Amino acid sequence: DAGVIQSPRHEVTEMGQEVTLRCKPISGHDYLFWYRQTMMRGLELLIYFNNNVPIDDSGMPEDRFSAKMPNASFSTLKIQPSEPRDSAVYFCASSFGPSNTQYFGPGTRLTVL
Amino acid sequence: DAKTTQPNSMESNEEEPVHLPCNHSTISGTDYIHWYRQLPSQGPEYVIHGLTSNVNNRMASLAIAEDRKSSTLILHRATLRDAAVYYCILRPWGGGADGLTFGKGTHLIIQP
Repeated sequence: DAGVIQSPRHEVTEMGQEVTLRCKPISGHDYLFWYRQTMMRGLELLIYFNNNVPIDDSGMPEDRFSAKMPNASFSTLKIQPSEPRDSAVYFCASSFGPSNTQYFGPGTRLTVL
Repeated sequence: DAKTTQPNSMESNEEEPVHLPCNHSTISGTDYIHWYRQLPSQGPEYVIHGLTSNVNNRMASLAIAEDRKSSTLILHRATLRDAAVYYCILRPWGGGADGLTFGKGTHLIIQP
């Protein structure tokens, strides 16, 4: 298995632009998680899905952030409009079952100028 | 959620054993102890987990105190590739998927 795939690996954009991060979970996994990592706040959960349905989005910073999972093989995290404080590494993870091991992707390093 | 306490950093020499401690004095009876690690410029990866008994796998061993208020991750023979941030995380058994709550972890430095 290729593991969790994320794209792009690096994204540099200007403040105010829309940013879309993509994730392909491991085939057969029914849970998908989006995390953000910054120096100040460490790793924090943004949102997670079960069988493509968003279950808990309480970690999403504000309305500028949105996430979708149109099918079991694909999820997006969108920021519109982006701000410099959104600069971080965004990780996607998937698991089979709610409490089982989570497998993380390589992350997307986002820089908002 | 029950919290964990880990040293900010530890240093060890290559090919020597490493013992990474974690305190979790408020652990509940149904909390599993999980360890993940994050290598430089990579996403976190699972290392090991346990409930009450000590556990071994190909990566490491987990020693759990009898009262479960602390645990130790043991790398039997550290290599340079083991340099990473190690996170000790409590997860309820059979609970919902609340995601992983990462603390600051322990930054393990391996000297050649």
